[in-house]
Amino acid sequence: GNSVTQMEGPVTLSEEAFLTINCTYTATGYPSLFWYVQYPGEGLQLLLKATKADDKGSNKGFEATYRKETTSFHLEKGSVQVSDSAVYFCALSKVSGMRFGAGTRLTVKP
Amino acid sequence: DAGVTQSPTHLIKTRGQQVTLRCSPKSGHDTVSWYQQALGQGPQFIFQYYEEEERQRGNFPDRFSGHQFPNYSSELNVNALLLGDSALYLCASSFSGLARGEQYFGPGTRLTVT
Repeated sequence: GNSVTQMEGPVTLSEEAFLTINCTYTATGYPSLFWYVQYPGEGLQLLLKATKADDKGSNKGFEATYRKETTSFHLEKGSVQVSDSAVYFCALSKVSGMRFGAGTRLTVKP
Repeated sequence: DAGVTQSPTHLIKTRGQQVTLRCSPKSGHDTVSWYQQALGQGPQFIFQYYEEEERQRGNFPDRFSGHQFPNYSSELNVNALLLGDSALYLCASSFSGLARGEQYFGPGTRLTVT
């Protein structure tokens, strides 16, 4: 079946550090891939997406590249801020619905 | 343009009771999906409604049922509540014309079963 595996947290970084959150997926065919972010007490917000192999999604300094050969969609940011503290979810979407990873909690300290 | 809205925000119920949660999709969206998010976990897909019918269903018992209205809004009903049903219930809307497109989420309803 379709599934997403992302690195376990929590992740704690200092402000301006480099961020990588790993995500790999299992799916038949060609799913769309997403990163969602959830701030405390809120619902999920779409951060970025990629719909086909080698696509790069980007938003607010975050980037992720759809790598079909490694079935990965790792999230990166060159310099994190305190305001980036949240839970990040990797997800895939097919016609049969959306599947999420377990989430990675990021805490950025000043 | 209003996004996805859900009501109520919080709800406390007793074991064995029934609950109804409501969702209004983002303007222009015709598909509604429901998710259960337990504390510290990722959202788990419950089911999806399109054209007033359940189109896809995740691994949830029949105690979980839903409905979609002609205006695309939706309800999630849970019967015979269990303590394990305590979670954040998220509604997401999307446009059917994008079969693998992104979903937009509401803020959720926090259900506590005591």
